[in-house]
Amino acid sequence: DVKVTQSSRYLVKRTGEKVFLECVQDMDHENMFWYRQDPGLGLRLIYFSYDVKMKEKGDIPEGYSVSREKKERFSLILESASTNQTSMYLCASEDTGELFFGEGSRLTVL
Amino acid sequence: GESVGLHLPTLSVQEGDNSIINCAYSNSASDYFIWYKQESGKGPQFIIDIRSNMDKRQGQRVTVLLNKTVKHLSLQIAATQPGDSAVYFCAENTGGFKTIFGAGTRLFVKA
Repeated sequence: DVKVTQSSRYLVKRTGEKVFLECVQDMDHENMFWYRQDPGLGLRLIYFSYDVKMKEKGDIPEGYSVSREKKERFSLILESASTNQTSMYLCASEDTGELFFGEGSRLTVL
Repeated sequence: GESVGLHLPTLSVQEGDNSIINCAYSNSASDYFIWYKQESGKGPQFIIDIRSNMDKRQGQRVTVLLNKTVKHLSLQIAATQPGDSAVYFCAENTGGFKTIFGAGTRLFVKA
């Protein structure tokens, strides 16, 4: 079974703090994604990566950056967290169109 | 100030009945469609998919119907069980890297 692991399930940060969300997949997938999920808005794509050191902006990249130094690891970075970034963050890897999601990281920014 | 999110469409069914969850997709160029199920506290999980050259596909207790003329997708769950209670998302893909998700429908199963 594919396993996508997000290291932090729940985080509470203060406005202006730098936040790292880590994601690791164990199936050697090329493509990895970060989404945020908000009630009634579905999943919105922040960034994705199709190879090591490669990244592409999704639909809502503002305020975020990503890092893909190794194939299995895709990190989401909030350089200076703001309250409107309070959300559920979902990492996924992809194989032939099917997305495999982690359990999610619920971030609260105070 | 306080922000108010949009309310999810909800569907409430009696245990044992069939459920039909509907979805309108946006891009006529989309050629791959997927339904995901998200249980409370978990990430979405793949249920079933269908490609644009088909109009129906069946899995175990689930059927997906695709109507390309009106850009409509539906998920049918037979003999709905309490374990089917979740949020269901339809998703579309045009063959590139981006999958576009719908807002989701919350399914409640009454015992």
